[in-house]
Amino acid sequence: DAGITQSPRHKVTETGTPVTLRCHQTENHRYMYWYRQDPGHGLRLIHYSYGVKDTDKGEVSDGYSVSRSKTEDFLLTLESATSSQTSVYFCAIRGSDRNTEAFFGQGTRLTVV
Amino acid sequence: DQQVKQNSPSLSVQEGRISILNCDYTNSMFDYFLWYKKYPAEGPTFLISISSIKDKNEDGRFTVFLNKSAKHLSLHIVPSQPGDSAVYFCAASAHDRGSTLGRLYFGRGTQLTVWP
Repeated sequence: DAGITQSPRHKVTETGTPVTLRCHQTENHRYMYWYRQDPGHGLRLIHYSYGVKDTDKGEVSDGYSVSRSKTEDFLLTLESATSSQTSVYFCAIRGSDRNTEAFFGQGTRLTVV
Repeated sequence: DQQVKQNSPSLSVQEGRISILNCDYTNSMFDYFLWYKKYPAEGPTFLISISSIKDKNEDGRFTVFLNKSAKHLSLHIVPSQPGDSAVYFCAASAHDRGSTLGRLYFGRGTQLTVWP
């Protein structure tokens, strides 16, 4: 199994509070991604990173920010959590080779009350 | 606009029969395609992939077919087993320039149910 760990695995937070989710990898892969999964929407990309300090927005980036200060860690921050951000969040990693798969973490279930 | 589309949200198949899951894409720059399987409360796991230079790739019971002219790919599972019941996601990537390099685009998934 690819070395990818998400923390926390579950979190309940209140509306308006900041929340940070962490993704840690031990594979030294170049690419890291944050997705959210919601019923009827599949996997939607929030932000991704193509190198240390190199990040770009995905399709649902509003209300989220990311940081990647070192290869192994990719942090996702909800600046002020809203109920619409209640979701399951997945981190993924992918190597630099032309044709290679991405590996996913186990997910973080976030509930905003 | 969704660049990868899975138009069937669900599929029900009897055990032992063939399951065919379909996926369409719009971006002609996509050159690598993947299928993932996801069980509840777990992360998606890679199943099989295909490069645009091929039109077929097999791995055991799983075969992916690619029709570039139609911008369509399909996943065949033969024979289907109850343990195959899961959500299947189609994904695609393009090796063009710039920061989109390495980005994966996913469909919305198809829930496959294999009944005995």
